[in-house]
Order: sequence, then structure tokens, then C-alpha cells
Amino acid sequence: DQQVKQNSPSLSVQEGRISILNCDYTNSMFDYFLWYKKYPAEGPTFLISISSIKDKNEDGRFTVFLNKSAKHLSLHIVPSQPGDSAVYFCAASDGGNNNDMRFGAGTRLTVKP
Amino acid sequence: EAQVTQNPRYLITVTGKKLTVTCSQNMNHEYMSWYRQDPGLGLRQIYYSMNVEVTDKGDVPEGYKVSRKEKRNFPLILESPSPNQTSLYFCASSLLTGNTGELFFGEGSRLTVL
Repeated sequence: DQQVKQNSPSLSVQEGRISILNCDYTNSMFDYFLWYKKYPAEGPTFLISISSIKDKNEDGRFTVFLNKSAKHLSLHIVPSQPGDSAVYFCAASDGGNNNDMRFGAGTRLTVKP
Repeated sequence: EAQVTQNPRYLITVTGKKLTVTCSQNMNHEYMSWYRQDPGLGLRQIYYSMNVEVTDKGDVPEGYKVSRKEKRNFPLILESPSPNQTSLYFCASSLLTGNTGELFFGEGSRLTVL
């Protein structure tokens, strides 16, 4: 039972355009959400997070939006750069506890020059 | 440099031959965990440890063992590997205090069981 779903296995965008990666969750107890980025042959690295008390968190080119009523979050990358090409994992937890964290299957983003 | 180090990075073995994947972190983190990554399933937690001598099962613990005798090390043991344990494994650590939830991952260990 996947509690965190990333329904798009892949996404391709042109350099300079916006990338929007989506994530849905089913567990209403989740209140902390993160995005991790993974390059080939490397481990995932933390990118950005958001608590359920917010609906938006911004860090440079990266913005995460949270819609609690829809149980949906999205990661916006503007403008997209070729170096952003990676697999992006959405993760969610109850209270920020790592032992309760659930990951999505990942979305492979390709940014074309 | 702060890091999580896993060894080996790549391993091909045969069914039933015991193996250990080591994991070491140099950030004095209390929390450590193991994940496996499989296509279409994302990262699934195998075992985790909140501190020395404290370990607990994650979502997919069958066929695995762990130990936490020292704070920095958290080895993953496959007593009798089977082909369904062919996967990409990640060790991760984090500070237990605070609710940032940020995990620091190792580079991964790709295991093939024939």
C-alpha cells in the first residue's frame, strides 16, 4: 500500500522553462513533507521541505506547494537547468519522524538544453 | 567532510551465501536506517536505529538483520540472500533531535543475488 504516490515516472522540459513535479499522499496523519533529489550512482540528497502549517515554501529556484485538502504537493523548479536532471523523490512523515517516513517511487526529470 | 559511507558499492553473490553491507557515518548522528530502492516502489525502509543498541523493523525487514554496537556504524546483514533481495540499498542517518526529517544518504550498494 503506497501511501505516497508519484504518478509520473518521467518528465521532460526545456531549459529555462518551469518543471512541475507532483506527489499525492493518502495518509491524513502526514504533516511533514520533503523532496529529495538523486543523481545516478549517488545517494538521494535533501532538497526542500514543508510543514503542514504552511502551504508554500520557497528556496531559490525551488518552491514546494502543499494542498492539504487534496492531499497533494508539488515541486516547482523555475527556471529549469540541465543540472536539475535527476530523479526526484517525494517523502512524507507524521511529525517528521524518520521511522515513519514514506517515499514515492520517484520522477525522472530531464531538462533539455 | 560529513558523509555516510557504504561498502561494498557493488556486489554479485549467490543464493545462501551470507553477506554484510557496512555503513558508517561521521556526523555523530543518533538515527540510522537502511532502505532498498526497487523500480516503481521508491525507497522502502528495512530497519532503523534510534541509538546504540536500539533497532527496530521498518516496512520490509524479512531476510535482513542489523546491529548497532557503535553510534557510527550500522551494518546490514543478509544471512541467506535470495534473488528477491537483488536491489539497490541505501544507508541513511540523521540527527534525532528536531523535526527536520532530513536524511543523509550513502551512495548506495547495488546487490545482485544469483
